Amino acid sequence: AQSVAQPEDQVNVAEGNPLTVKCTYSVSGNPYLFWYVQYPNRGLQFLLKYITGDNLVKGSYGFEAEFNKSQTSFHLKKPSALVSDSALYFCAVRDRTGGIKTIFGAGTRLFVKA
Amino acid sequence: GAVVSQHPSRVICKSGTSVKIECRSLDFQATTMFWYRQFPKKSLMLMATSNEGSKATYEQGVEKDKFLINHASLTLSTLTVTSAHPEDSSFYICSARDTGTNEKLFFGSGTQLSVL
Repeated sequence: AQSVAQPEDQVNVAEGNPLTVKCTYSVSGNPYLFWYVQYPNRGLQFLLKYITGDNLVKGSYGFEAEFNKSQTSFHLKKPSALVSDSALYFCAVRDRTGGIKTIFGAGTRLFVKA
Repeated sequence: GAVVSQHPSRVICKSGTSVKIECRSLDFQATTMFWYRQFPKKSLMLMATSNEGSKATYEQGVEKDKFLINHASLTLSTLTVTSAHPEDSSFYICSARDTGTNEKLFFGSGTQLSVL
């Protein structure tokens, strides 16, 4: 069965500092991996994805994530956080070998303080 | 880019009434749409997979007679919460996959349902 773990309920970081939001996954086959962001009372917005190729994926708003197969991780990172990055972040996985469902992690709330 | 429109954004209803939520893909065809439920400070719970022209696939524990899903066209899926009760109050989100854009999901803006 597929699963996604986001071990931190909340991450606090000062504006201008680097941020990391952690994600590990479990899937039987090779995964598609995603990060989405949700602002209050809104749907989710796509940030970035790993499909194949370079393990370092760059996405929207200066975010990036690194696929680490041996550690089954896909941590989200940004070199310099902005207050406007404060939101709820979801890691998601889909097994490319036939599954159609995308499974989401529990979400990590990011607070960036000015 | 691809857009998914969800309507209404907010609905308040009396207990025992039914509420319909619409999800439309505006500029792409979606043979499959997904309905999620989100509780406060919680993750998205996949309720069902909506398949155009066929019956929806419900996740374990989701009552199909209570949460009716219809996917009558390639651009429209509806979720009807029948005989709503206060415990059905939640944030409902739909999504669709545009298979031409490498697997990512596009989400509606969500519907906040409050049952009095």
